[in-house]
Amino acid sequence: NAGVTQTPKFQVLKTGQSMTLQCAQDMNHEYMSWYRQDPGMGLRLIHYSVGAGITDQGEVPNGYNVSRSTTEDFPLRLLSAAPSQTSVYFCASSRTGPFDSPLHFGNGTRLTVT
Amino acid sequence: GQQLNQSPQSMFIQEGEDVSMNCTSSSIFNTWLWYKQDPGEGPVLLIALYKAGELTSNGRLTAQFGITRKDSFLNISASIPSDVGIYFCAGQGRETSGSRLTFGEGTQLTVNP
Repeated sequence: NAGVTQTPKFQVLKTGQSMTLQCAQDMNHEYMSWYRQDPGMGLRLIHYSVGAGITDQGEVPNGYNVSRSTTEDFPLRLLSAAPSQTSVYFCASSRTGPFDSPLHFGNGTRLTVT
Repeated sequence: GQQLNQSPQSMFIQEGEDVSMNCTSSSIFNTWLWYKQDPGEGPVLLIALYKAGELTSNGRLTAQFGITRKDSFLNISASIPSDVGIYFCAGQGRETSGSRLTFGEGTQLTVNP
């Protein structure tokens, strides 16, 4: 089973460039979310979605956009990359929500903004 | 927003030793979860706690939901090299929506063979 697939694994951007981090799950999960992981700060929620067509902001949404046109996909868009967005990004999904069912994480995308 | 403080930030232990780490919140939590992250991978759920005072085991791991509902601890008995990784607590406070999970800063565990 593929589970949660994130692409790319690594990315280097210049300040001001835009890009989309891809996330796909094949478990028919309703809930999907994006986190960023920075040293000493744990995992911080960027955006989440409780189902296709529904998205909401997390703790640190500024500089990021998301959409959920299908149950399977939840892309994260950086409109104008900044060095402060250098981080490891994780996509996670669960069957219903993060408290009712376990979050399944992808293996992360390591992003460097120069 | 919700604040979760995990301690210690890092631990260096010998194989076979027991480990204890804890997590405290500035407010009451309804749910406590413990995740482990192996190097280069995403976190994986270890234990979920839903009631104050609840004590739950998963193999050599034991976790408890504090009576005050503001803390939780995780114990690992007889550690082995594959216990290496980052352990995160996570939870839902009364003030947050049912879809937002807050994570602690993590405890980095190193086990020396």
